[in-house]
Amino acid sequence: KNQVEQSPQSLIILEGKNCTLQCNYTVSPFSNLRWYKQDTGRGPVSLTIMTFSENTKSNGRYTATLDADTKQSSLHITASQLSDSASYICVVRGQAGTALIFGKGTTLSVSS
Amino acid sequence: DTAVSQTPKYLVTQMGNDKSIKCEQNLGHDTMYWYKQDSKKFLKIMFSYNNKELIINETVPNRFSPKSPDKAHLNLHINSLELGDSAVYFCASSQDRPQVETQYFGPGTRLLVL
Repeated sequence: KNQVEQSPQSLIILEGKNCTLQCNYTVSPFSNLRWYKQDTGRGPVSLTIMTFSENTKSNGRYTATLDADTKQSSLHITASQLSDSASYICVVRGQAGTALIFGKGTTLSVSS
Repeated sequence: DTAVSQTPKYLVTQMGNDKSIKCEQNLGHDTMYWYKQDSKKFLKIMFSYNNKELIINETVPNRFSPKSPDKAHLNLHINSLELGDSAVYFCASSQDRPQVETQYFGPGTRLLVL
């Protein structure tokens, strides 16, 4: 069964610290993986999208990595800011036009 | 210049009523989606339309009926609302080019069934 598991479920860090969120998936065959950020009360916003051949991709202070062999991805946030407080959702697309599989998200709280 | 817009933003209604949620995108995208996000924040796809044709129809009650009058609009009509329908409903769109499509989400419609 195609699944996307994220950890931790929630995380609290101090402003200025770094953190790493994990995503493991069993979707096969695999097409691409994306990370979304969802602020409270808003729709998700895309941070990165990575295909099979990409190992790392950055978007400002956000860096996503992908290991297609072990079916793992991580999202690293550098020098966190209060505005990083949100849910981060990992989404995986299988091939041949299959539907997107969403993880349940990691809720990040950045405190001052 | 909102990319994906939904109306209404909030919807409070009684059990058994029929209601509609509207979605419009001005991005020129070919594909539109409806998602349901439950109280545990889990996003689940309900429907997907490509150029006005239904391409994904997950297991949702047939009380939910999407309607796409043109490729810029995808409305969601819900009959005989039930308590369990209370959730946030997100519309999204994408260009749907393989490998690179990014979904753009609307702000959500918060539905509360009493």
